[in-house]
Amino acid sequence: AQSVSQHNHHVILSEAASLELGCNYSYGGTVNLFWYVQYPGQHLQLLLKYFSGDPLVKGIKGFEAEFIKSKFSFNLRKPSVQWSDTAEYFCAVKAGSYQLTFGKGTKLSVIP
Amino acid sequence: GAGVSQTPSNKVTEKGKYVELRCDPISGHTALYWYRQSLGQGPEFLIYFQGTGAADDSGLPNDRFFAVRPEGSVSTLKIQRTERGDSAVYLCASSSTRAGRDTQYFGPGTRLTVL
Repeated sequence: AQSVSQHNHHVILSEAASLELGCNYSYGGTVNLFWYVQYPGQHLQLLLKYFSGDPLVKGIKGFEAEFIKSKFSFNLRKPSVQWSDTAEYFCAVKAGSYQLTFGKGTKLSVIP
Repeated sequence: GAGVSQTPSNKVTEKGKYVELRCDPISGHTALYWYRQSLGQGPEFLIYFQGTGAADDSGLPNDRFFAVRPEGSVSTLKIQRTERGDSAVYLCASSSTRAGRDTQYFGPGTRLTVL
């Protein structure tokens, strides 16, 4: 069975700092990759997704992620975070089936 | 509707009771999924419906859990003889399952507390 690891449980940044959240998965075949975000008091929302093609994927609100197949990674990045990016971020993998396998999530706190 | 809706938003019950959680997917979405999210964890898959049938129920933890989708739209997750360990947020998602490119859209969840 596939698994997803998110390396950081809680990240604290000041506004304008750059962000990189790590995500690694264990599955040797074709994967679809997702980042979801959960803002305080809101439900899970899709941030970006990768199915095929260009491994650098751009999402909403200035986020991007890079799929590196050789490293089984799909790290999330943003050059300059804002206070409104405070949320919990979940990496998810769909591999050979329809169910998503999620990581445990990373809480991001952005200090104004 | 505009998104996936779930009712109730919160449910408090006593150990041993029966509960039903409802999910109304995005209109036109044929695929529906239930996940469970415990504190400090990511969502974990429970069951997947394609139309009216449960295509995969491998994530249901035991036979106290059951889900139906009789008309291929609204789904109900049913939990019998609830236990304290069932306390979690139960999430529903739907997708249109265009082959290989489906994205799952999540509802707000039902927070179940078993006392």
